[in-house]
Amino acid sequence: GNSVTQMEGPVTLSEEAFLTINCTYTATGYPSLFWYVQYPGEGLQLLLKATKADDKGSNKGFEATYRKETTSFHLEKGSVQVSDSAVYFCALDSGGGADGLTFGKGTHLIIQP
Amino acid sequence: NAGVTQTPKFRILKIGQSMTLQCTQDMNHNYMYWYRQDPGMGLKLIYYSVGAGITDKGEVPNGYNVSRSTTEDFPLRLELAAPSQTSVYFCASSPRILRGNQPQHFGDGTRLSIL
Repeated sequence: GNSVTQMEGPVTLSEEAFLTINCTYTATGYPSLFWYVQYPGEGLQLLLKATKADDKGSNKGFEATYRKETTSFHLEKGSVQVSDSAVYFCALDSGGGADGLTFGKGTHLIIQP
Repeated sequence: NAGVTQTPKFRILKIGQSMTLQCTQDMNHNYMYWYRQDPGMGLKLIYYSVGAGITDKGEVPNGYNVSRSTTEDFPLRLELAAPSQTSVYFCASSPRILRGNQPQHFGDGTRLSIL
C-alpha cells in the first residue's frame, strides 16, 4: 500500500536559518505529492504540490521537488520566520482520486526569534 | 468565502453517547472526506463520498457512519462513543478529480473527547 515517511519532530531553528524537512514515499503508479501546513487550532492548508517527476512546487518561499528516482519530496526554505512555526504534513494522492490522501505523521517546526 | 465548515469545534462526550459531527461545503465539490488526527500521527481516512448518495469506507471506518444526501453536507455519526474515538476530526472536500491534480480543502476540525 501507499505510505509517507517524514522526519520526526519537533524541529527547532533560529529565525533566518535554512530549513529542510525530509519526506519519502512508497506508492504504486505515479502519485501526486503535496505539502500541507497546519497552524495551531486550524485545519490543514495546502502549501504546495507537484504532480509529476521533476516538478517543483513553490509557495511563500517554500519549495519541494518531486524526485522519482529517490521517491522523495523534501520541503526547503532558505530563511525561516517565526510565523512559519506550524506542523507540516507531506501527503500523496495515488491518482485514483476517490480514496483520499495518504499522510505522513507531520513535523512540528518551531522557529525561535 | 466559507469553504468547508465544521461544527461543533469542541465536544466532550460520555462513553456510550452518540453524536453527529457536521460538515458543509459551499464550493460545489463532488468529493468529500472525513479524517481523524491522533496525537503525533498523520490523518487517517474514515469515510469518503464521491457524490450525493454515494459513500465508501476509508482506512478506519469502524464505529462511524456517514450519509451524503446533498452535495453540500457530509455528516459523520458516532453511535456508541468509545475512548478510542478521542481525536481531532477533519472534513475535507475536492472537485471531481483528474489524476489527483486537485488538492483537498480542509475545515478547521472538531476536537472530540470521550470520557
